Amino acid sequence: GENVEQHPSTLSVQEGDSAVIKCTYSDSASNYFPWYKQELGKGPQLIIDIRSNVGEKKDQRIAVTLNKTAKHFSLHITETQPEDSAVYFCAASVPGGYSTLTFGKGTMLLVSP
Amino acid sequence: EPEVTQTPSHQVTQMGQEVILRCVPISNHLYFYWYRQILGQKVEFLVSFYNNEISEKSEIFDDQFSVERPDGSNFTLKIRSTKLEDSAMYFCASREYPTGNQPQHFGDGTRLSIL
Repeated sequence: GENVEQHPSTLSVQEGDSAVIKCTYSDSASNYFPWYKQELGKGPQLIIDIRSNVGEKKDQRIAVTLNKTAKHFSLHITETQPEDSAVYFCAASVPGGYSTLTFGKGTMLLVSP
Repeated sequence: EPEVTQTPSHQVTQMGQEVILRCVPISNHLYFYWYRQILGQKVEFLVSFYNNEISEKSEIFDDQFSVERPDGSNFTLKIRSTKLEDSAMYFCASREYPTGNQPQHFGDGTRLSIL
C-alpha cells in the first residue's frame, strides 16, 4: 500500500520567514495530495490540495509543489505568522471511488514572534 | 461554512466496555470515514462508508469495530469491547462526491480514553 514520509518532524522559524515541509510517497498511482493543518484540540483542517495534473498551486501565502517523477511534494508558507503555528500533515490518495488518505507523520511548525 | 460535528469530545470508558462515537457529516456529503490518531502519531484510516455499506476498511478495523448510519444525519463508530490500545483521537470525515478525488472534511474528533 501507499507510504508517505514527511520531514522535518519539527520546524522552528522566526515570524516573517518562510517554512518548507516536504513529503515523499511510494505509490506512483497516487494522484491527489492534500495538506492539513491541525491546531491543538482540533481536527485536521484542509488548507490546500493539489492533483497530479498540475505541478504547483498557490493560495495567498501558501503554495504546494508536486514532482511526480521524484514522487515528492512540498508545502511552502511565506511570511509566516505566529498563528501559522500548528501541526501540518501531508497526505496522498490513489485514484478510485473511496480515496482513502494515507497521512505523513506530521510536522510541528513553531513560529516565534 | 458547513462542518462535520462529533460527539462527545471526550469519552472515558472502562476496558471491556462498549463505546459509541457519533458524527454528523456535512449534509450533502455522500462518503463518510473514520480515522484514528494515537497520541503523537500519524492519522490512520479505519473505514470508509458509502451507500449504507462499508466501502473499504483497514487491518485496524477488526471485528470489534462496526459502523452504522442509523438515520439520515448520524454516522456512528462502535467499539464492542474496548482495549487499552484503543485509546486515541477518533476523527470522522466526509466527502461530497462518490467518485474522484475530492477534499475530505474532518470533525474535531473524540478523545477516547480507556482505563
